[in-house]
Amino acid sequence: QKEVEQNSGPLSVPEGAIASLNCTYSDRGSQSFFWYRQYSGKSPELIMSIYSNGDKEDGRFTAQLNKASQYVSLLIRDSQPSDSATYLCAVKGYSSASKIIFGSGTRLSIRP
Amino acid sequence: GAVVSQHPSWVICKSGTSVKIECRSLDFQATTMFWYRQFPKQSLMLMATSNEGSKATYEQGVEKDKFLINHASLTLSTLTVTSAHPEDSSFYICSVNWGLGSNEQFFGPGTRLTVL
Repeated sequence: QKEVEQNSGPLSVPEGAIASLNCTYSDRGSQSFFWYRQYSGKSPELIMSIYSNGDKEDGRFTAQLNKASQYVSLLIRDSQPSDSATYLCAVKGYSSASKIIFGSGTRLSIRP
Repeated sequence: GAVVSQHPSWVICKSGTSVKIECRSLDFQATTMFWYRQFPKQSLMLMATSNEGSKATYEQGVEKDKFLINHASLTLSTLTVTSAHPEDSSFYICSVNWGLGSNEQFFGPGTRLTVL
C-alpha cells in the first residue's frame, strides 16, 4: 500500500462546476496535510495546508480533513480552465524529523 | 511564502560530465533545504535533506557520491550530479521550509537536466 494515494485521473470537470480531489494516507500519526498544484513542466506550488479535522476555506478552494478515516480532500468551486493541472496531496508525520510524502497526483482537466 | 530560485532552469550535458545546480532562498535564511527529483508523469521523490554547515542526509537508494550536496550558507545549497548518465535525466527541484517551525514547503522553479 502506498503511503499517500490519489486517483491519477484525468478528472474532467465542466467549467463553473465543483472539482473534488481525494487523497488517502496510511500513517495514522500524520499531522500536517498539504495540497499542491503543479502545471505541466513547472514545479509544485502550495495551495492549502490543513492540520485539524474539518474544513478550511481559502477563496475558491476548500480542504477537508478526516483523520479517523485517514482522508483528505480538496474542493475547487467555480472551476476555471486555469485550474487544469496536476494536484499533489502531501502528508507529514508528527515529529520535526518526519519528511513530507507526496502522492502521485491527480490530473484535473476543466473543459469549457 | 518563501521565494526560492534555482539555476540553471535547464541544462543539457554529455554523458560522463558533472552538472551543478544552485538553489537559493531569496527572502529568508534556510538552515534546511530539500532536493527532489521528478521523472515524467511520476511524483516527487525526496533525494536528500541539505543541512547548513553539516552533511546532507540522503534517502535510501540515493548515491551520496554521485549526488553531491553542499549547503555552505543559509541562502545557498548546491546539488552536483557527478558523471551524469542518461538515466539521470530528470526534473530536479529544491524546496525550503518557510519560517521557524513551519511544515509548509515552498519549491524552487526546478532544473530540467538532459544527459545525452
